[in-house]
Amino acid sequence: EAGVTQFPSHSVIEKGQTVTLRCDPISGHDNLYWYRRVMGKEIKFLLHFVKESKQDESGMPNNRFLAERTGGTYSTLKVQPAELEDSGVYFCASSQADSGNTIYFGEGSWLTVV
Amino acid sequence: QKEVEQNSGPLSVPEGAIASLNCTYSDRVSQSFFWYRQYSGKSPELIMSIYSNGDKEDGRFTAQLNKASQYVSLLIRDSQPSDSATYLCAVNRASSASKIIFGSGTRLSIRP
Repeated sequence: EAGVTQFPSHSVIEKGQTVTLRCDPISGHDNLYWYRRVMGKEIKFLLHFVKESKQDESGMPNNRFLAERTGGTYSTLKVQPAELEDSGVYFCASSQADSGNTIYFGEGSWLTVV
Repeated sequence: QKEVEQNSGPLSVPEGAIASLNCTYSDRVSQSFFWYRQYSGKSPELIMSIYSNGDKEDGRFTAQLNKASQYVSLLIRDSQPSDSATYLCAVNRASSASKIIFGSGTRLSIRP
């Protein structure tokens, strides 16, 4: 069974540009999470989807970040316009509806804004 | 105060010894507790979860939870060089699937 997959694995963009990160959760997982780790800091929660609905988006840093999960399958996280402080690793994770909270992480998308 | 606190390390332990990793959390209503292992450049991997006070053992790993003290720990027996990684403590307030809050991680180094 395929795990959580993320694309791109690495991205280098200039300040002001737009980047869209994609996450394909494990098939059948209703819960999808986005997390971010910036250099030297802890992994921080961004938001949580249950199927196509945003359950909790309290961690989204500002309105330059937009997450979608149309159809309740894959999700995208768009950063527009990107700023230097957005650099970091963006992790996607997923879990089943009643998994006892076991969530599985993707390998992450490493974003560098220059 | 951070919601989940860990000593960043590095913690250096000789091969074959017991590695002890500690974590405290601030929210008393927290219900679920996790230890993730993360190798450099890789994604976090769940190694232990614990939900009730006491010890939970899985192979060489033992998780310990003390809700009164808001403290959770991970013991690794017979430490191996392959255990060298960053260990992330994570906490969930609710019993259902919801956001998990991570500590900043403790870097563990097992020296041969």
